Amino acid sequence: GQQLNQSPQSMFIQEGEDVSMNCTSSSIFNTWLWYKQDPGEGPVLLIALYKAGELTSNGRLTAQFGITRKDSFLNISASIPSDVGIYFCAGQLNSNYQLIWGAGTKLIIKP
Amino acid sequence: DVKVTQSSRYLVKRTGEKVFLECVQDMDHENMFWYRQDPGLGLRLIYFSYDVKMKEKGDIPEGYSVSREKKERFSLILESASTNQTSMYLCASSYDYGYTFGSGTRLTVV
Repeated sequence: GQQLNQSPQSMFIQEGEDVSMNCTSSSIFNTWLWYKQDPGEGPVLLIALYKAGELTSNGRLTAQFGITRKDSFLNISASIPSDVGIYFCAGQLNSNYQLIWGAGTKLIIKP
Repeated sequence: DVKVTQSSRYLVKRTGEKVFLECVQDMDHENMFWYRQDPGLGLRLIYFSYDVKMKEKGDIPEGYSVSREKKERFSLILESASTNQTSMYLCASSYDYGYTFGSGTRLTVV
């Protein structure tokens, strides 16, 4: 099945650093979503984006729906230990409720 | 908040066994999904359902079947478990594009 290109695959950062990750696709998406998965749990929705160019924040998290509708990025400012986990992007391609998923970005905070 | 409950967090089964993974949601969602998650491969869709008794194959349905007799319950069945089905299985439900996931079932087939 189709998958989004999500990068980086993993990130090792110091506490307090800003983090940036992105997803790209060759297809145009109508909706972009960002999820976070804590260790041992299922993914949880962080941010949903519905319009090209839309910029949305959720606390220290900011996500944007690319103007071409083929990409999205997620930024985390001033990372803290509880930010560790796997971040997934997902896009809606068709008019049903199936999502296309990125492979995930694993965030690790160096002690 | 919507809650999606998966019946087991950890399961160990023998090769050839028939395995049932149960998922129940409590918010009257129409859509339910089964994914498997493997390192480096992200989430891969096995089956989904938009209504009771309705099912559609996802990207990797081979070796699996599903049942949705009631709106709130979506079961994943491994007809004859094999070692390559060792994985984390995630169930999700949704009203629209915002999926709610269960905590997952980590299945080991020995």
